[in-house]
Amino acid sequence: KQEVTQIPAALSVPEGENLVLNCSFTDSAIYNLQWFRQDPGKGLTSLLLIQSSQREQTSGRLNASLDKSSGRSTLYIAASQPGDSATYLCAVRDNYGQNFVFGPGTRLSVLP
Amino acid sequence: ETGVTQTPRHLVMGMTNKKSLKCEQHLGHNAMYWYKQSAKKPLELMFVYSLEERVENNSVPSRFSPECPNSSHLFLHLHTLQPEDSALYLCASSQARTSPYEQYFGPGTRLTVT
Repeated sequence: KQEVTQIPAALSVPEGENLVLNCSFTDSAIYNLQWFRQDPGKGLTSLLLIQSSQREQTSGRLNASLDKSSGRSTLYIAASQPGDSATYLCAVRDNYGQNFVFGPGTRLSVLP
Repeated sequence: ETGVTQTPRHLVMGMTNKKSLKCEQHLGHNAMYWYKQSAKKPLELMFVYSLEERVENNSVPSRFSPECPNSSHLFLHLHTLQPEDSALYLCASSQARTSPYEQYFGPGTRLTVT
């Protein structure tokens, strides 16, 4: 059974810092991995999706990498801003069907 | 409207009530999902419909009953709920047979069972 973990559970940084969020999964037979952000009490906003054949994806100040063999993905946020404060979730889609498994999330606070 | 919409946004119901949650997607997708998000627990996938056929049902109690009348609409019928069913219920959609199967989420329905 696929399990997804995220480290750290919470992170607080001053504005302007670069930071890395980590996501690990136990079964490397994934189809893709998707990073989301969630603001309190709201739905999820898709940030980046990495196919299993890809190594990284970039969007603006965000860069996500994938190392499928080791079961890891990282989300790099450059020059963090207070507006980046949210919970960041990763989710993996398996090869066998339509099942998506989410991690517990990392709660990020960027202080002005 | 664009994207994925959910109604109502907030719902308070007693344990003996019957209510329904509605989800609608305007993205031309043909797979839809219900998730449950409880406090301090990861998102749990409840049901998946692909091309209007239920393809995943992850051990969800029978007091939750999904319905997908067409590829744009998804319902979650609720009856005889328990207080532990209080949570944020999220709907999502994606393409069913065309990569990359990226999921798009609605804003959620905050459900409180009293």
